[in-house]
Amino acid sequence: DAGVIQSPRHEVTEMGQEVTLRCKPISGHDYLFWYRQTMMRGLELLIYFNNNVPIDDSGMPEDRFSAKMPNASFSTLKIQPSEPRDSAVYFCASSPGAGTSSEQFFGPGTRLTVL
Amino acid sequence: DAKTTQPNSMESNEEEPVHLPCNHSTISGTDYIHWYRQLPSQGPEYVIHGLTSNVNNRMASLAIAEDRKSSTLILHRATLRDAAVYYCILKRNNDMRFGAGTRLTVKP
Repeated sequence: DAGVIQSPRHEVTEMGQEVTLRCKPISGHDYLFWYRQTMMRGLELLIYFNNNVPIDDSGMPEDRFSAKMPNASFSTLKIQPSEPRDSAVYFCASSPGAGTSSEQFFGPGTRLTVL
Repeated sequence: DAKTTQPNSMESNEEEPVHLPCNHSTISGTDYIHWYRQLPSQGPEYVIHGLTSNVNNRMASLAIAEDRKSSTLILHRATLRDAAVYYCILKRNNDMRFGAGTRLTVKP
């Protein structure tokens, strides 16, 4: 099992550019989560999907952020236009089931730097 | 949201037990207590979880107070590879909110 796969691992871009982060969840997992980690705010849940449908996007910071899950094996988080304050490590996680006792499996993260 | 309180940092000697405390006085009856850890430059990793009873797995043990207002993660023999930030989280459905965690340093 390859685990959760994220790409790219590092991304450096200039302010105003579009950024797309990609995630492949563990096969068979029905839930997919996007988190952002910064020194100031720690780990924040941005959005999560169940069976490819967005369930809770209340953590998405603003309209510049959007996430899609076109199929069970792929999700994207897009930032357009990017700003320096978006610099962070973005993690994708997947979970096999619903509910309070399910564990989440995290990917290695994408470190985004916006200049 | 129910919150957790953990010490900012702790130190341990290699091969000694480590007890990482967590206070969660506003826990509700349906909240599970989850522990994750994050090694340097990696994503968080599940450690253990429980509801009311103490739990053991290959990584650690979780001791939950009878009133559920606190819990303790126990690493029985710390190794250098256990150096990480440990997060205590109250999980309700799919909502998992990470706090600042406890940074564990393991000294050889």
